[in-house]
Amino acid sequence: DIVLTQSPDSLAVSLGERATINCRSSQNLLYSSNNKNHLAWYQQKPGQPPKLLIYWASSRESGVPDRFSGSGSGTDFTLTISSLQAADVAVYYCQQYYGTPVTFGQGTKVEIK
Amino acid sequence: QVQLVQSGAEMKKPGSSVKVSCKASGGTFGSYGLSWVRQSPGQGLEWMGDIIPVFGTADYAQRFQDRVRITADGSTSTVFMEINSLTSADTAVYYCAGGPYNADYFEFWGQGTLVSVSS
Repeated sequence: DIVLTQSPDSLAVSLGERATINCRSSQNLLYSSNNKNHLAWYQQKPGQPPKLLIYWASSRESGVPDRFSGSGSGTDFTLTISSLQAADVAVYYCQQYYGTPVTFGQGTKVEIK
Repeated sequence: QVQLVQSGAEMKKPGSSVKVSCKASGGTFGSYGLSWVRQSPGQGLEWMGDIIPVFGTADYAQRFQDRVRITADGSTSTVFMEINSLTSADTAVYYCAGGPYNADYFEFWGQGTLVSVSS
């Protein structure tokens, strides 16, 4: 199975500051036939299902604020929140869909400093 | 936009089975893939398996292959997930989630179904 390791496990950021979450894959997620990285990012708030933020490593889902961005390729990926808002307090997960089984990172908890 | 509505919470005894449903509305049932993802209390997300209703065949994570069955009923636009031989380790919130049939990222999610297993 492909293992995704997120860092850090938690971070506290001041309102309006940048938050950066990393996701490292045990295998390359760039599929040569479509030249796309098979990686997604989700936000989960307490008592709610996850919400898709980013797919294909850098494509923002419709309706997601543009302060959320994804980058990276191959085995190393980043989710950036450019200016943290109170509504962004949540746990964030990366997910690979390159291979079966689909796997998720362990999650990163984002809080307000 | 596709909406997924799951069946209600269940309380089960060890060794028994549970069947959770996920009814889809909006979109064209079968044109997207539907997966089951579980989340144990305070833990992360674990993919269990999926089905593409138009094809009817399910795919499973190896650790669930012997105990889990995923089926689809096109007449009611509903997907089902049944787990046998329940143990306390199966206590979790179970989500159905869907997206493009050829790329397993999840654009839409059900509200979740809590399955509690206790003697």
